Amino acid sequence: KQEVTQIPAALSVPEGENLVLNCSFTDSAIYNLQWFRQDPGKGLTSLLLIQSSQREQTSGRLNASLDKSSGRSTLYIAASQPGDSATYLCAVFDSNYQLIWGAGTKLIIKP
Amino acid sequence: DTAVSQTPKYLVTQMGNDKSIKCEQNLGHDTMYWYKQDSKKFLKIMFSYNNKELIINETVPNRFSPKSPDKAHLNLHINSLELGDSAVYFCASSPPTSGVETQYFGPGTRLLVL
Repeated sequence: KQEVTQIPAALSVPEGENLVLNCSFTDSAIYNLQWFRQDPGKGLTSLLLIQSSQREQTSGRLNASLDKSSGRSTLYIAASQPGDSATYLCAVFDSNYQLIWGAGTKLIIKP
Repeated sequence: DTAVSQTPKYLVTQMGNDKSIKCEQNLGHDTMYWYKQDSKKFLKIMFSYNNKELIINETVPNRFSPKSPDKAHLNLHINSLELGDSAVYFCASSPPTSGVETQYFGPGTRLLVL
């Protein structure tokens, strides 16, 4: 059964720093992996989607990597800003066509 | 212009009541979902419908009953509400399964049972 784990559960860094969020999954049979952000009181925003055949995707200051063989993905945020403060969720689309979610990393960027 | 909408956004009610949360998507997607977000922010899938037919029904109490009158709507009806039902409920939709999937989420409905 697919399980998705995110480490750390919470992270606080000063503005301007580069940071990495980690996501691991137990079954490498996935179609894709997605990173989302959730802001308090709001819905989920899809940030990046990496197909199982891809190694990374980039969008602005965000870069997500995928290593299927080791069951790992990272979300790299460059030059962090207070507006990046949110909960970041990793989810894998597994072979049963279900989106399996991690518990999220709560990120706080201090001005 | 909203892709996936949910009503109401907030719902406060007494234990034992029956309530419904509505979800509508205007994306033309075939599949819709209901998720429950627990106190630890973990999202758990409750139901999934494809073309008005139930395809995923995780272990949830039978007090929860999804209703899909058409492809664009998936409503969640909850009978005899309990304190533990307090959570944020998210509706989502996705296009036909092709291995290239993103789920589009509604803004969530915050349910508080007193």
